[in-house]
Amino acid sequence: DAGVIQSPRHEVTEMGQEVTLRCKPISGHDYLFWYRQTMMRGLELLIYFNNNVPIDDSGMPEDRFSAKMPNASFSTLKIQPSEPRDSAVYFCASSISGSTVNQPQHFGDGTRLSIL
Amino acid sequence: KNQVEQSPQSLIILEGKNCTLQCNYTVSPFSNLRWYKQDTGRGPVSLTIMTFSENTKSNGRYTATLDADTKQSSLHITASQLSDSASYICVVRIKAAGNKLTFGGGTRVLVKP
Repeated sequence: DAGVIQSPRHEVTEMGQEVTLRCKPISGHDYLFWYRQTMMRGLELLIYFNNNVPIDDSGMPEDRFSAKMPNASFSTLKIQPSEPRDSAVYFCASSISGSTVNQPQHFGDGTRLSIL
Repeated sequence: KNQVEQSPQSLIILEGKNCTLQCNYTVSPFSNLRWYKQDTGRGPVSLTIMTFSENTKSNGRYTATLDADTKQSSLHITASQLSDSASYICVVRIKAAGNKLTFGGGTRVLVKP
């Protein structure tokens, strides 16, 4: 089975440029999460969707960050304009609601973003 | 202050030996506690998920324990292998917080031959 697929795996760009990260969740999963991981702060939840609808975006750092989920099989995280402090590994994860709350989140392998 | 604290931050063990990682949490009430393994350059992978009523759960050579009274969990790795070299992350899901998870800072384990 294909897991969560993220692209690109690596992105290097200059400050001020627009960055778009992409995610394809596992088919049939109705939750999608975007995380950011840094050495200093560990894993932080940015936003999550349920059935393509944003549920909680309280972790989005500022207005420069936006996320969309136009359909059940695709989501994007956009940073515009990018800044050096946005450099981090961004993970997408998906899960299925099921009959209990004890469903694991399945993570992609992340996008390593470097803003110069 | 992080609501999920892990110790040690890192450790080195010899192949074949056992080790135990600790997790203390202050979040309450919680739905479940999870342990994830993260290999270098990869995303985290779920090892175990325990509800507050469960004391122990195993996944192969990994055994997690939970004491909801003292708010402590541990992850025991038996007969370590080189492939166990990774970061291990303790994660707590808070009740009434939807699907939001609170992550510990992780313990980096290095298994040497």
